[in-house]
Amino acid sequence: AQKITQTQPGMFVQEKEAVTLDCTYDTSDQSYGLFWYKQPSSGEMIFLIYQGSYDEQNATEGRYSLNFQKARKSANLVISASQLGDSAMYFCAMILNDYKLSFGAGTTVTVRA
Amino acid sequence: DSGVTQTPKHLITATGQRVTLRCSPRSGDLSVYWYQQSLDQGLQFLIQYYNGEERAKGNILERFSAQQFPDLHSELNLSSLELGDSALYFCASSVEGGAYEQYFGPGTRLTVT
Repeated sequence: AQKITQTQPGMFVQEKEAVTLDCTYDTSDQSYGLFWYKQPSSGEMIFLIYQGSYDEQNATEGRYSLNFQKARKSANLVISASQLGDSAMYFCAMILNDYKLSFGAGTTVTVRA
Repeated sequence: DSGVTQTPKHLITATGQRVTLRCSPRSGDLSVYWYQQSLDQGLQFLIQYYNGEERAKGNILERFSAQQFPDLHSELNLSSLELGDSALYFCASSVEGGAYEQYFGPGTRLTVT
């Protein structure tokens, strides 16, 4: 079965600095998609970024970029120029052709002023 | 605002009862997904519907059932509720199934007492 691992339960980052959130995945499928979601304390799940397994370029969305290293099976999220509003839980997720989205345990990010 | 709506926002009920959670997908989205988020199990995929048909099933208990109606809204029915069913239940929608961005609703927080 596919598995998503986020090894950092919590991180602190200074405002305006960049932070990298680690995510590794395990699948033998060639076709898959990787997602990052943000969950603030209010509880909603906010879609941030998506990377397909066949995409050659790393995905970017504003201050978010996904560092996709296929051979290492990693899909780290980089948040540049952190803001106080970035404080939240961040989830990495993977989807295979069976349409099921599997989530990691999440990483809590706290941005300090 | 993701465009996905869920009602009710909060639900408190007793063990043994039955509840129905409702979800309206974003305009134009054909696929609806249900997820459960609990402290001990994290985020788990329950079930997916695409244009009225069940497409994928995850860790959904037999006491739980779902359907998607012709107007594409979906309902998740939870019966014979147990304390352990207390969780945040999310609905998400996407244009298609599979590797497409899933946009989450605000969730329904279910408390079973």
